[in-house]
Formats: sequence, C-alpha cells, structure tokens
Amino acid sequence: QVTLKESGPVLVKPTETLTLTCTVSGFSLSDVKMGVSWIRQSPGKALEWLAHIFSNDEKSSTASLRSRLTISEDPSKSQVVLTITNVDPVDTGAYYCARTVDFYYYMDVWGEGTTVTVSS
Amino acid sequence: QSVLTQPPSVSAAPGQEVTIFCSGRFSNIGNNPVSWYQHLPGTAPKLLIYENNKRPSGIRDRFSGSKSGTSATLGITGLQTGDEGDYYCGAWDSSLGAGVFGGGTRLTVL
Repeated sequence: QVTLKESGPVLVKPTETLTLTCTVSGFSLSDVKMGVSWIRQSPGKALEWLAHIFSNDEKSSTASLRSRLTISEDPSKSQVVLTITNVDPVDTGAYYCARTVDFYYYMDVWGEGTTVTVSS
Repeated sequence: QSVLTQPPSVSAAPGQEVTIFCSGRFSNIGNNPVSWYQHLPGTAPKLLIYENNKRPSGIRDRFSGSKSGTSATLGITGLQTGDEGDYYCGAWDSSLGAGVFGGGTRLTVL
C-alpha cells in the first residue's frame, strides 16, 4: 500500500524558514517513473502546485516561489523535504505531498496534508 | 489566478448528471494529458481521472473524462450528496515547466 505523510510545524513566525517533510512508504523514491510533488491550498483558495522531484534529481518549482523554495530528497529515509524561506502570512495553508507519475504527470496518491499558520 | 480555467460552481439534483469544463492552452492541455481530482471537505484530494479519460482502480464509472484541443471535461452521472465538494483539473505546462491546476469547481448536489 502506497502512503505519504506530511509533517512539520503548525505555527511559524513571519520571516522564519518553514521545513516540511513527506515520508513515503509502499514505493521507492529511486523508482524512475515516480516522483513526489508538493501542493498547497491557502484558505478559500484553489490547489496550488509548488514543486516536484524525481529520482534522477529532476526538480522543478513554481516561478512565484522559486527564490524561496527548495525541494530535496533522502531516499535512504524515504523522505522528501520542502523548505520555504522568509515565510509570510500568505504562506498559511494546508500543504500536501503526492506521489507523481512521470511522463503522464498526475498525482495518484496524496498525503492527508498538514496545516501551517504563519503568524507572529 | 489559475492557469487552467474552470467554472466556480455547478449544481444539479441527486441522480442527475453534470459536466465540468477546464480550459487551457497548447502548452498545458493542448500538449499534455489532463487529470482530475476530487477534494471533499476535510479530506485529501483524490485522483479521479488520469491521462484524459482513464479511471484509477476503485473509481466508479459514474466519473468520466475527455479532452479536445485545449479543453477538457469531467462528467459525473448519478449524482449523490456524497459527491459534493471541489473538483480540479490538472496538467503539466511545458512552457512554464510547472504543474498547473484549475481554479476548482464547487459541486453542489441540491
């Protein structure tokens, strides 16, 4: 059974760095056909794709956050880490990680999500 | 503002059917497969359709997808109150080098 689980802080202060971890099971981060994406949903807003990473170290991120966002993986720990620096209250929302199928590009299994609030 | 365009809301009575449209460009829908996701209140998004018209295991044939040019549609038949929630289209955008979603469509089953 494929599962993904997000973890990280519930509350972060403005200007701090947010680090979120996605721990996967049931598949390998070394699988060339599978990667992991991060998606968020701000309150009252639509889903927003943030970034993905694949086993060949192919990474991509949304232009609006590229200067503040880093995605990395540790296959030995089955973890994908998303880091957003200099957070702002607009970064508040639910953050999801999802297994992403390469080439056809769809997210077939999602984590439950973790909610992050940016506030002083 | 989302890259893919969806109507904000649709509604229909139980047992009826609805169609949700998703409009994009050549760089996304026109040149790449479309997927659809169901996001019910208090749950994680769930994949409904991939590669334009394929259903994952466990998704009933009440849900269908199609694509033509730079537009895609999600059809839902035999509406149930449990179908109420938000529906999103998604695709890869080759020009942006990024994944993109629609703005979401809120389905209300009256």
